[in-house]
Amino acid sequence: SQQGEEDPQALSIQEGENATMNCSYKTSINNLQWYRQNSGRGLVHLILIRSNEREKHSGRLRVTLDTSKKSSSLLITASRAADTASYFCATDDYGQNFVFGPGTRLSVLP
Amino acid sequence: GAGVSQSPSNKVTEKGKDVELRCDPISGHTALYWYRQSLGQGLEFLIYFQGNSAPDKSGLPSDRFSAERTGGSVSTLTIQRTQQEDSAVYLCASSFTLTYVELFFGEGSRLTVL
Repeated sequence: SQQGEEDPQALSIQEGENATMNCSYKTSINNLQWYRQNSGRGLVHLILIRSNEREKHSGRLRVTLDTSKKSSSLLITASRAADTASYFCATDDYGQNFVFGPGTRLSVLP
Repeated sequence: GAGVSQSPSNKVTEKGKDVELRCDPISGHTALYWYRQSLGQGLEFLIYFQGNSAPDKSGLPSDRFSAERTGGSVSTLTIQRTQQEDSAVYLCASSFTLTYVELFFGEGSRLTVL
C-alpha cells in the first residue's frame, strides 16, 4: 500500500526562520493532507491539496504537490515557538483509508 | 459534543485483560477511523467504518482486536487478552465522507499494559 514518508525526521530552527518539510509517497493519490500534532494531543488538520493542484496557501503555510515526483512539501514561514509540533502528511487511495507517514518533529527555538 | 470524544483518556491494565475503547464521532460524520500510535511514532491504520460497515479490516494487528460501530455513530475498539506490545495511544477520527475532506481527531486513549 502507499505510504507517506516525511523528511527530515526532526528539524530544529530559530524563531523567525522558515521550516520546510517534505513528504514522498508511492502510488497515485486522490489528495494529500498535512496534519499537526502537539505533544500528547490528537492531530489537527492544516491543509488539503488535491491531485490536480500544484500549490496552496493558508496563512503562513504553503504546500506544494508534484505528482510526477510523488512528493509534497510544507513550508512554514516566519516560524514561532508555538509551531513546535510533529507534522504528518496523509494520502488517501481513492476512497479507502488515509495513510500517514512517520512525521517530522519540528522544534522552534525562541 | 462539538468534537470527537474518546474514552477513557488513560487506561492501565494487566497483561491478559480485555479492554474497550470508545469513540463518539462528530454528529453527522459517516466515516470513522481508528489508528494506533506508539510512542514517538507515526500513525498505524487499524480500521475504518463507512456507516456501520467496515469494508477494510486488514489493518487490525491480530484476531485479538475487533471493532464495531452501531447506529452509524459510536464505535468501540476491543482488545482481548492484552499484551505489552498493545501499549500505545489509540486515536479515533471521523469525517463527513470517506474522501475529499479532512479528518477530525479525538485526543486519543492512552493504553498501558503492564
